[in-house]
Amino acid sequence: GAGVSQSPSNKVTEKGKDVELRCDPISGHTALYWYRQRLGQGLEFLIYFQGNSAPDKSGLPSDRFSAERTGESVSTLTIQRTQQEDSAVYLCASSHLGPQFFGPGTRLTVL
Amino acid sequence: AQRVTQPEKLLSVFKGAPVELKCNYSYSGSPELFWYVQYSRQRLQLLLRHISRESIKGFTADLNKGETSFHLKKPFAQEEDSAMYYCALLSGSSNTGKLIFGQGTTLQVKP
Repeated sequence: GAGVSQSPSNKVTEKGKDVELRCDPISGHTALYWYRQRLGQGLEFLIYFQGNSAPDKSGLPSDRFSAERTGESVSTLTIQRTQQEDSAVYLCASSHLGPQFFGPGTRLTVL
Repeated sequence: AQRVTQPEKLLSVFKGAPVELKCNYSYSGSPELFWYVQYSRQRLQLLLRHISRESIKGFTADLNKGETSFHLKKPFAQEEDSAMYYCALLSGSSNTGKLIFGQGTTLQVKP
């Protein structure tokens, strides 16, 4: 079946602009996760959804970052007033009572 | 604190040589550990999980609670094993919760 998909695959933006990143989880997966990977670093957790509620937002680095999820489907990660340090690959994963499966990521570059 | 450590950024071996990618963790409780692999230009994918106790692509990993380790091993490396390998710890219960990743080890298998 179809895996986790993310769009766009690449996004280049100017400092100060807002961006929205989209994740489509595997159908039937109730849990959805956002991670980011900055250059030369490991993956860091941002936020986790169970259904459309977010029991763990502990990884969001600042109030410029927010995310929402519609039911048990699509999620959107929004970064407001982007900064150069937001440049990273943003990864989405989904799961249902098992291991997490990852999307291909969105590479965000803030100029 | 919950932490995963992969001490080697790069491991370079010749084809046919044994491979051991090291992973140590810090977790108070019964850990659930995973190895993920990312081949060039592909998405992050699950290689194996300790509760399955299975061998995938010739790789095995044994949880050693005394040494808090979950090293990944393969007796004879192949060129197609060249990739980035991440060890991850599940922070949560009932198969949900964030993954805490190590920094990753690049495995380079030379012909």
